[in-house]
Amino acid sequence: DAKTTQPPSMDCAEGRAANLPCNHSTISGNEYVYWYRQIHSQGPQYIIHGLKNNETNEMASLIITEDRKSSTLILPHATLRDTAVYYCIVKNTNAGKSTFGDGTTLTVKP
Amino acid sequence: ETGVTQTPRHLVMGMTNKKSLKCEQHLGHNAMYWYKQSAKKPLELMFVYSLEERVENNSVPSRFSPECPNSSHLFLHLHTLQPEDSALYLCASSRSQGAISNGYTFGSGTRLTVV
Repeated sequence: DAKTTQPPSMDCAEGRAANLPCNHSTISGNEYVYWYRQIHSQGPQYIIHGLKNNETNEMASLIITEDRKSSTLILPHATLRDTAVYYCIVKNTNAGKSTFGDGTTLTVKP
Repeated sequence: ETGVTQTPRHLVMGMTNKKSLKCEQHLGHNAMYWYKQSAKKPLELMFVYSLEERVENNSVPSRFSPECPNSSHLFLHLHTLQPEDSALYLCASSRSQGAISNGYTFGSGTRLTVV
C-alpha cells in the first residue's frame, strides 16, 4: 500500500470549512483513498473514500487531484465535535488490511 | 453504537493472568481485524480473518492468540503479557477482505493495562 503524508496538526474555527490535505504521490492505479477519523479514546470512524472522482456524502467531501497524487478532505461547517485525529489511507481493494499513519489532529475552536 | 461491540471496555491484568477480549458484529461482514494502538503511536494491524480463516498475522508475539469461531465473533486470548502490551485494542470488521467500498467499522476498543 502507498505511503501517505499528512500535516501533524491543524486548527479550524467553528462553523468554517476544514480542509485537510493528504499527499500520496506513490499511489498506484488500483488504490483507493480512504479517510477515517478517531475521536479521543474511541475507535476510528469511516468517513469517505474515492478512486479518482470527487466524492461527497453527509459527513464530508473528498477532492482528489487529477494526477491522484494528493487529496483533500473537506468538512464544510466544522463543529467542536469534529475535533479528532483524521487519517488518510490508500488501499488496494484486493488487500484486506488498512495501514494507518500518524494522521492530522484537527482542533476546532469556538 | 457502531455495530461492532467489544468487551470488556477496560481490563487490568497481571503478567501471569490469562484473559480474553471479545468482539462481536452483526453487520453481515465477512472479514474481521485486530488492531493495537499504543500511546502516541499509529494503529498497528495484528491479525486479519476472512471467512473465519486467519489470512494475516503481522509478526505478533505468541502471547496473543486470536480465535474466530464464526464470522460474527472474534476473540483475542491473552497470557503472560508484559507491561508494554498495555494499549487500546481495537476490533474492526468489513464486508469482505477484498471488496470495493471496503470501509471498516471499528468497535470502541478495550483499554488494557498490564501490571
